[in-house]
Amino acid sequence: TAGITQAPTSQILAAGRSMTLRCTQDMRHNAMYWYRQDLGLGLRLIHYSNTAGTTGKGEVPDGYSVSRANTDDFPLTLASAVPSQTSVYFCASSEGQGDTGELFFGEGSRLTVL
Amino acid sequence: GQNIDQPTEMTATEGAIVQINCTYQTSGFNGLFWYQQHAGEAPTFLSYNVLDGLEEKGRFSSFLSRSKGYSYLLLKELQMKDSASYLCAVMDSNYQLIWGAGTKLIIKP
Repeated sequence: TAGITQAPTSQILAAGRSMTLRCTQDMRHNAMYWYRQDLGLGLRLIHYSNTAGTTGKGEVPDGYSVSRANTDDFPLTLASAVPSQTSVYFCASSEGQGDTGELFFGEGSRLTVL
Repeated sequence: GQNIDQPTEMTATEGAIVQINCTYQTSGFNGLFWYQQHAGEAPTFLSYNVLDGLEEKGRFSSFLSRSKGYSYLLLKELQMKDSASYLCAVMDSNYQLIWGAGTKLIIKP
């Protein structure tokens, strides 16, 4: 079982360019999440989706957008990248938001903005 | 504000026992999670506590005291493969996860 697949694994991006990080899950989970992980900080929630067709803002949503057209896919878009968006991005899913169940994470996408 | 505190780094010896502490201050409480994250990899679920007490799962145990806002992860019979970061996370009243910065555990032979 693939679980959650993220692409690309890593990317170097020029400031001002746009970028979409892809995330696909095959577990039919209702809830999906995008986190960023920076050295010395805990995982920070960017955006989330409780179910297909709905999205919500997390702790650090500025500069990012998401869509949830179907259950499986949850892409994250940076419209105009800035160096402070250099980070490791993790996509995650759970059976339902608020169900106190575990999160399943993708392998991460390492993004460097120059 | 909401806050999760855990030590930045700990060192232990192979075969020994180590306890990683986590204290939290959050808006409400709907459970506490521990995740393991090896360097360069994704976090993976270890344990979930919502009631006070000790939950044992093989070599790993997790303890919770809600009145003290405190949890610990206990790792027994340490193996080299246990070298990783251990992340504490609390689910608040809005069912959002608040994450600690993680404790990097170094195992020495």
